[in-house]
Amino acid sequence: NAGVTQTPKFQVLKTGQSMTLQCAQDMNHEYMSWYRQDPGMGLRLIHYSVGAGITDQGEVPNGYNVSRSTTEDFPLRLLSAAPSQTSVYFCASTAGTTYNEQFFGPGTRLTVL
Amino acid sequence: AQKVTQAQTEISVVEKEDVTLDCVYETRDTTYYLFWYKQPPSGELVFLIRRNSFDEQNEISGRYSWNFQKSTSSFNFTITASQVVDSAVYFCALSEAGYGGATNKLIFGTGTLLAVQP
Repeated sequence: NAGVTQTPKFQVLKTGQSMTLQCAQDMNHEYMSWYRQDPGMGLRLIHYSVGAGITDQGEVPNGYNVSRSTTEDFPLRLLSAAPSQTSVYFCASTAGTTYNEQFFGPGTRLTVL
Repeated sequence: AQKVTQAQTEISVVEKEDVTLDCVYETRDTTYYLFWYKQPPSGELVFLIRRNSFDEQNEISGRYSWNFQKSTSSFNFTITASQVVDSAVYFCALSEAGYGGATNKLIFGTGTLLAVQP
């Protein structure tokens, strides 16, 4: 099992550019989430999904879109990058009703110039 | 609204000292879940423990122990005989209850940076 994988590991964007952060898990988990980590602020939930075709907003959803067409994948789209979106992004998955822990991916460090 | 407070921003100890990391939470729910995660300098997030609101028993795992007190809304984490490898940022987190258990919507505290000096 690869667990939760994220690509890319690092990315530099210019203001206004768009991009997609990829997240995949091979554990057949129902639940997936995206968080961003900023210095001094811990992790904050951006969007989450409780199954294929079902997504909802978290605490800081503005400027991001998600979709969940398969159980395995949960991409995060930045529509028009802004310097305020400079952050480390973590994807996580859990097993749903047998939930004990969230498994986190290694993170993507994004810089927006 | 749910909230997690980790008032200790940074703690520095010398190896073999005991250290306690504080976590205070706020929630109106009667059923909820509490977590601790470790983030070493390499950046990944490592799950340490989950506790539900109905289980107030203290937990011990090797040098790690957790003290859950609903009366003070606290879920503190103690490392006994700290080691250099314990140096990391530690996060406390809270989840509301969903169908069958916790949800995947965690509310994190701001973290405590623990530095263990040799």
